[in-house]
Parts: sequence; structure tokens; C-alpha cells
Amino acid sequence: QSALTQPPSASGSPGQSVTISCTGTSSDVGGYKYVSWYQQHPGKAPKRMIYEVSKRPSGVPDRFSGSKSGNTASLTVSGLQAEDEADYYCCSYAGSNIFVFGTGTKVTVL
Amino acid sequence: EVQLVESGGGLVQPGGSLRLSCAASGFTFSSYWMSWVRQAPGKGLEWLANIKEDGSEKYYVDSVKGRFTISRDNAQNSLYLQMITLRAEDTAIYYCATDSWGPAHWGQGALVIVSS
Repeated sequence: QSALTQPPSASGSPGQSVTISCTGTSSDVGGYKYVSWYQQHPGKAPKRMIYEVSKRPSGVPDRFSGSKSGNTASLTVSGLQAEDEADYYCCSYAGSNIFVFGTGTKVTVL
Repeated sequence: EVQLVESGGGLVQPGGSLRLSCAASGFTFSSYWMSWVRQAPGKGLEWLANIKEDGSEKYYVDSVKGRFTISRDNAQNSLYLQMITLRAEDTAIYYCATDSWGPAHWGQGALVIVSS
């Protein structure tokens, strides 16, 4: 049940794209289609942005997209906006009804 | 609209106990798995536990097994987390969330501080 590995930080200018990776193992990210991504602004509760690797809940802009290859999942934010500046966490099913979060990535809009 | 409101947080001494509650509204509570997630100050998210719709199955992360107990009362639309033998490292904001192959809708959290 080790945390999934994310880069500590990522950045981009307004209008650009940023991609965040989430690396696990074949026992979690690589083994299941249940990877989700969360956005958290300071002092606020997390908000789910992506579920089941690439699905967007209603109300989430299509600038947010998810994918997975092998043991690594990715979140891409296209057309960066100031309000996208936040912490982002991935989460994966790890079997036996257990879930594990990533270490978190702080996204800065330059 | 899904609403989850946690309560019961506060200051507790090391070795003490605390029971968190989560009041649910805006959805059919008894039809959803539910989970607890915590976040230590300045740190990342940690999944703690989840519980099946009818309460018949419960799962925990190793770090809280034997100390934390998740439960629910579908008649009261409420989720609970009983915590015993609390340690300083349990200091965190505790969130309840609906569970749909991972946390979905989240509450605003309850702060638990374990300190003497």
C-alpha cells in the first residue's frame, strides 16, 4: 500500500498544457481501470476531476483529460487558466477493496 | 445536490478516542459505498476505509486496522468513524466521501488534533 508517485510540481503559462504523471505498479494503476484524479485548492476539499482513467464527471471542463499506459496514469490540463492552479492527486484501486492516493502535484500557472 | 457534513472533530490527548460523524443528504445514502480519507497538515491525501451500502463489508488501510472502525446508519443517513488509541500522527482533516470505485463527492472535513 505504498503511495503512488507523482512529480512534486508542474507549471505552465496561461493557454498552455501541463501533464501530470502518476506511477504505480501492476498491483494498482497497471492492474485496474479505476484511476481517478482530484483537484484541491488551498483550504478546500478535493474535487474529483477524472474517474475510471479518462471519464469526466458532469461539470468538469473538457480541458481536463486522463489516460493510462502500463503502470502510469496521466492527467492533462489543456488551455491552462489561472483557476487551475491547485494541488492534484491521483488515486487508484489496489485490489481487495483498497485504494491508494498519489503523493500530489502542485500546479502553478505562471 | 449531494451534501456531506462531517462533525465530531476536536482536540484529543494521545491514547484517547474520538468518533466522527458524517451527515449525508441529497442522494440515496443506502445505495452507496462510503469512505473516509484524511489529510495531515501540509501533507497529501490518505485513503483510510470504506463500507458497503448495507454495512456488511468494511475495508481498511493497514495503518489504522484495529484502531479505527467505520460504520453507518442508513436510517439516519449517517456515516461514522470510531477512532481509538489516537497518536500524534493521526492529526489531520478527516473527510467523508461517497465511494464509486474511488472517492467521488466529498464533505468539507473535520479537523482532529491529537496533542497533550
